[in-house]
Amino acid sequence: EVQLVESGGGLVQPGGSLRLSCAASGFTVSSNYMSWVRQAPGKGLEWVSVIYSGGSTYYADSVKGRFTISRHNSKNTLYLQMNSLRAEDTAVYYCARVDILTGSTFDYWGQGTLVTVSS
Amino acid sequence: DIQMTQSPSTLSASVGDRVTITCRASQSISRWLAWYQQKPGKAPNLLISKASSLESGVPSRFSGSGSGTEFTLTISSLQPDDFATYYCQHYNSYSYTFGQGTKLEIK
Repeated sequence: EVQLVESGGGLVQPGGSLRLSCAASGFTVSSNYMSWVRQAPGKGLEWVSVIYSGGSTYYADSVKGRFTISRHNSKNTLYLQMNSLRAEDTAVYYCARVDILTGSTFDYWGQGTLVTVSS
Repeated sequence: DIQMTQSPSTLSASVGDRVTITCRASQSISRWLAWYQQKPGKAPNLLISKASSLESGVPSRFSGSGSGTEFTLTISSLQPDDFATYYCQHYNSYSYTFGQGTKLEIK
């Protein structure tokens, strides 16, 4: 059974850093495409970043240069390093597996972890 | 960048109703369009991919159609479990874009 479990969220001050983790089971992270999607309180879904099986990474303009997506193959875990955090980064962050056949949809999601950026 | 616009933003309907949600793309996206359902406090759930392909386990009352710039999600007979927020989503050039969402409420 595919499972994704995020952790690492919490309260951080503006300008601070946080690293989110997403532990996967039931499949191999390094053989798949993996992504982060966020949702600000009461708002819609916003794609954040993706890492492809070959290691290529891509980011939304809103986080480019501040966030870094990575993975640890032996731990089967996805990460999101978030630096220079801003109030507008406050959101629930979901990790999601991208359907590798088409690369176009998110077929499995974690339960999300809340990041609050506030002084 | 391709923009995805959903309408309506909110839809009030009753159990048993047939409802349709529309998603429009700012330029042609062929059939690269997915639909998700999200309930409060939960992660989104993939319903339909490639505009009309129903995901495994999704009830047949859900259907998707369209191509190019206009797409629809139809629920043929609303059930109590269907009241949720629905999002369309497109992939293009290493970027993923969601519509703003349609909240389906009980009338």
